[in-house]
Amino acid sequence: ETGVTQSPTHLIKTRGQQVTLRCSSQSGHNTVSWYQQALGQGPQFIFQYYREEENGRGNFPPRFSGLQFPNYSSELNVNALELDDSALYLCASSLRQGNAAQYFGPGTRLLVL
Amino acid sequence: ELKVEQNPLFLSMQEGKNYTIYCNYSTTSDRLYWYRQDPGKSLESLFVLLSNGAVKQEGRLMASLDTKARLSTLHITAAVHDLSATYFCAVSNYQLIWGAGTKLIIKP
Repeated sequence: ETGVTQSPTHLIKTRGQQVTLRCSSQSGHNTVSWYQQALGQGPQFIFQYYREEENGRGNFPPRFSGLQFPNYSSELNVNALELDDSALYLCASSLRQGNAAQYFGPGTRLLVL
Repeated sequence: ELKVEQNPLFLSMQEGKNYTIYCNYSTTSDRLYWYRQDPGKSLESLFVLLSNGAVKQEGRLMASLDTKARLSTLHITAAVHDLSATYFCAVSNYQLIWGAGTKLIIKP
């Protein structure tokens, strides 16, 4: 059974640039959630995708967008990067939407200069 | 708005001691999670608590849930250095709402 994978592991961007982060869900999982974790804080929910549709969104601006593909992998896109976007971005997959247990990937650490 | 509060936020303890981390949440929820995070690493699921009075144990860690008090505890028994990590509780309310984490340092 393949776990959740994310790419890249680390990324450095400058303000105003755009970034795409990728996530492959655990085998058989159809739901993907994205979180932002700033240094020393708990994760903050960005959004969730279920069967290619956005299925809930946290308090993040529209420049944070996502996609889920037919194979349930997912992308997180962030436009017009700001310094405060520097964080660990975590992807979690689960078997169904809602409140199922989530399994986290290793994360992508983004630094915005 | 669902809020989750953990305390303490930082805990330094000696090996062999017992201690408890507390997780309070502000509105009703049907599920509470405990996760562990090592420095620079992702989140590892420890426990999922589903109902009032639920108690789960794994090794030196035991988690419990009191939905009436909106309180969960994570108890550490006879701590060992390998348990040093940051521990998060998270409460489901359609999405997961996370506490700020408890950074646990266990000294030999």
